[in-house]
Amino acid sequence: DVKVTQSSRYLVKRTGEKVFLECVQDMDHENMFWYRQDPGLGLRLIYFSYDVKMKEKGDIPEGYSVSREKKERFSLILESASTNQTSMYLCASSRPADQETQYFGPGTRLLVL
Amino acid sequence: AQSVTQPDIHITVSEGASLELRCNYSYGATPYLFWYVQSPGQGLQLLLKYFSGDTLVQGIKGFEAEFKRSQSSFNLRKPSVHWSDAAEYFCAVGPYSGGGADGLTFGKGTHLIIQP
Repeated sequence: DVKVTQSSRYLVKRTGEKVFLECVQDMDHENMFWYRQDPGLGLRLIYFSYDVKMKEKGDIPEGYSVSREKKERFSLILESASTNQTSMYLCASSRPADQETQYFGPGTRLLVL
Repeated sequence: AQSVTQPDIHITVSEGASLELRCNYSYGATPYLFWYVQSPGQGLQLLLKYFSGDTLVQGIKGFEAEFKRSQSSFNLRKPSVHWSDAAEYFCAVGPYSGGGADGLTFGKGTHLIIQP
């Protein structure tokens, strides 16, 4: 089974802090994604990556950056956390040959005070 | 641009009754279509997917979905729901068939409530 893990289930940070959310997948998938999920808005794509050191902006990249130094790991960085970044963050991975089927991690619920 | 509409924000169904969750999409090519389920506080789990072939697809937990190109729909069904089916359900449409990891476009979700 594909396993996607996220470093924290719950995280509390203060405004202005630098925040790192880590995601690791164990199935050698080429593609990795970061979404945020908010009530009434569904899932929105922040960034994705289709190869090591490659990244592409999604629909809402402002205030975020990403890093992919190794194939299995995709990090989401909030350079200076703000209260409007309080949300559920979901990581996913996929393999192009699998009709882009995405497999999700359990999510990180981030609260920025 | 592609889009997905789930017209029902909430649906309440009695345990043992049948279920149909609606999904309509807008897409410029042959779509890949997905249904995911999210239990409270959890990530998304794939229920089923369609990418070609038989338009009626079977998934896990007794769910099925039918792709209707003429109606741009991909509705999810289950003949008899169980209390454990209470969750959030998301429909999604895949990227352009030309490839590239540009993600899935998700609907806003339907919250399913099961009455005893």
